[in-house]
Amino acid sequence: AQSVAQPEDQVNVAEGNPLTVKCTYSVSGNPYLFWYVQYPNRGLQFLLKYITGDNLVKGSYGFEAEFNKSQTSFHLKKPSALVSDSALYFCAVRDAAAGNKLTFGGGTRVLVKP
Amino acid sequence: GAVVSQHPSRVICKSGTSVKIECRSLDFQATTMFWYRQFPKKSLMLMATSNEGSKATYEQGVEKDKFLINHASLTLSTLTVTSAHPEDSSFYICSARRTATNEKLFFGSGTQLSVL
Repeated sequence: AQSVAQPEDQVNVAEGNPLTVKCTYSVSGNPYLFWYVQYPNRGLQFLLKYITGDNLVKGSYGFEAEFNKSQTSFHLKKPSALVSDSALYFCAVRDAAAGNKLTFGGGTRVLVKP
Repeated sequence: GAVVSQHPSRVICKSGTSVKIECRSLDFQATTMFWYRQFPKKSLMLMATSNEGSKATYEQGVEKDKFLINHASLTLSTLTVTSAHPEDSSFYICSARRTATNEKLFFGSGTQLSVL
């Protein structure tokens, strides 16, 4: 079975400071990893993905994430947070050999204060 | 970019009635669509996987007779909540994957269902 953990329910950060949202995963095979963002009363928007290749993945809105196989982590980062980055962030994993099912983490609310 | 349209965005209905939610891929063909439910504590739960022209695959614990899913074409999947009850009130989100191999899902904007 595949699973995703986002250990922090909420992350508070001052505008301009670095932002990190943590994610760890568990799959039996090779992972496909994703980050999505959800703004209030909206659907999910894709930020970035890791399939193969470079461990550091760059995505939309200045976000990046690093795939760490030994730590089974895929933390989301942004060097300088904006107030507009305040939203709900979801990490998701799909086992490359296990079909279509995408499993989401519980989500982390990010609050960027001016 | 690919667009998934979900309608309606918000619906209020009386207990015992049925509600249909539509999910359309506007500019691509989607052989597979997914339906998620988002609970008040924010976690997303996969309800079912919908494949065009075949029966949906439901996740454990999801009542297929209550949540009817139809994927009649490559651009449309529908979720019908039958005999809705207040505990069915939730945010429902659909997503779609392009026909060609592509690992990214495109999400609809979601439907907030409130059952009175």
